[in-house]
Amino acid sequence: SAVISQKPSRDICQRGTSLTIQCQVDSQVTMMFWYRQQPGQSLTLIATANQGSEATYESGFVIDKFPISRPNLTFSTLTVSNMSPEDSSIYLCSVVGGFGETQYFGPGTRLLVL
Amino acid sequence: GNSVTQMEGPVTLSEEAFLTINCTYTATGYPSLFWYVQYPGEGLQLLLKATKADDKGSNKGFEATYRKETTSFHLEKGSVQVSDSAVYFCALKPGDKIIFGKGTRLHILP
Repeated sequence: SAVISQKPSRDICQRGTSLTIQCQVDSQVTMMFWYRQQPGQSLTLIATANQGSEATYESGFVIDKFPISRPNLTFSTLTVSNMSPEDSSIYLCSVVGGFGETQYFGPGTRLLVL
Repeated sequence: GNSVTQMEGPVTLSEEAFLTINCTYTATGYPSLFWYVQYPGEGLQLLLKATKADDKGSNKGFEATYRKETTSFHLEKGSVQVSDSAVYFCALKPGDKIIFGKGTRLHILP
């Protein structure tokens, strides 16, 4: 299995500001994913981040709002830009481990935008 | 297309009761199936998985069997505890991306 840590674990931010979330994995992985979980909801995939290439965004998510960096095989960042209260969610980092069939999740970053 | 349908919650049971959370799926090919659990204030943890038909995944007293004929992966536990209170997500992985159900919130009363 993979051990994933995220920083910060939670934050309260003002409308119009930006927050960068860090994700660190204890082993090298090819594919990293960023998800959003709105209150009481299931997970929604924001983007897939592969090292050495631009992130691939899902429908409804754009790079200007959620820029992603993937500088190496163990680290990625997600920035939530120009935040509004609708961005209040849990943001989770995820990687595929093992033989490629199991997906592991970080503890999440709980964001509240006022 | 690929999708997961799981029973809506919340499900409320007394301690030591038998638990079933239904999950059915629609998929092409032979996806891997998973149950994840999210305890209050935490991220998702893999609970169990099955990668082919008739496989049984088990962990912490929970079990689920990959039933291709009924396209189901129901989660069961013989005797639940208060500490099992959480949200449970059924998921399938037909390719690179995992697809989640909407989650079922479970409350166990002492």
